[in-house]
Amino acid sequence: GAVVSQHPSWVICKSGTSVKIECRSLDFQATTMFWYRQFPKKSLMLMATSNEGSKATYEQGVEKDKFLINHASLTLSTLTVTSAHPEDSSFYICSAPTANQPQHFGDGTRLSIL
Amino acid sequence: KNEVEQSPQNLTAQEGEFITINCSYSVGISALHWLQQHPGGGIVSLFMLSSGKKKHGRLIATINIQEKHSSLHITASHPRDSAVYICAVRNGGGATNKLIFGTGTLLAVQP
Repeated sequence: GAVVSQHPSWVICKSGTSVKIECRSLDFQATTMFWYRQFPKKSLMLMATSNEGSKATYEQGVEKDKFLINHASLTLSTLTVTSAHPEDSSFYICSAPTANQPQHFGDGTRLSIL
Repeated sequence: KNEVEQSPQNLTAQEGEFITINCSYSVGISALHWLQQHPGGGIVSLFMLSSGKKKHGRLIATINIQEKHSSLHITASHPRDSAVYICAVRNGGGATNKLIFGTGTLLAVQP
């Protein structure tokens, strides 16, 4: 079945570093992908909708310059956390919808900023 | 009030028990999803429903559009079913419309 691959699964880095997270659809084309953030024991919070060939749509309160999204091709979307700080530490997960099928989620990226 | 409410928030069951998790929503929807999130964080989509009932193995999902309510049932529960179960609705439109998530139900099945 359709699979979404997310990389890296886990990253630790120093404050001020920029971190790139990749989300790939492995056997289908995804014109749209979603990026979520999840705090401990909380549900998923939609950050932005990534659109292939156009700008991402950000949810209210999400800083566009902080969380850069690029949907470079029909199978790849990237989320870059720029100049990361400890408060950006979280679990980030992507998903890609397919027509008439359930959403396919990546395995998530656990980001820890020291 | 959240647009998608789940109950219970926490559930502990003994192995073999029949489990029901409920989801109520207050918006118009085109589809409802049941998702399973294991402790490692990965999310698996269990069901996508727009009407009626679906069954997969020991899992059954039902939806009542008129009452804006869905249930996820687990028969003969097993410790490996321990996870967070999340209800999410698609608020109209096509597959690329975003989902609205419930807060999840943490299920622990004890041997």
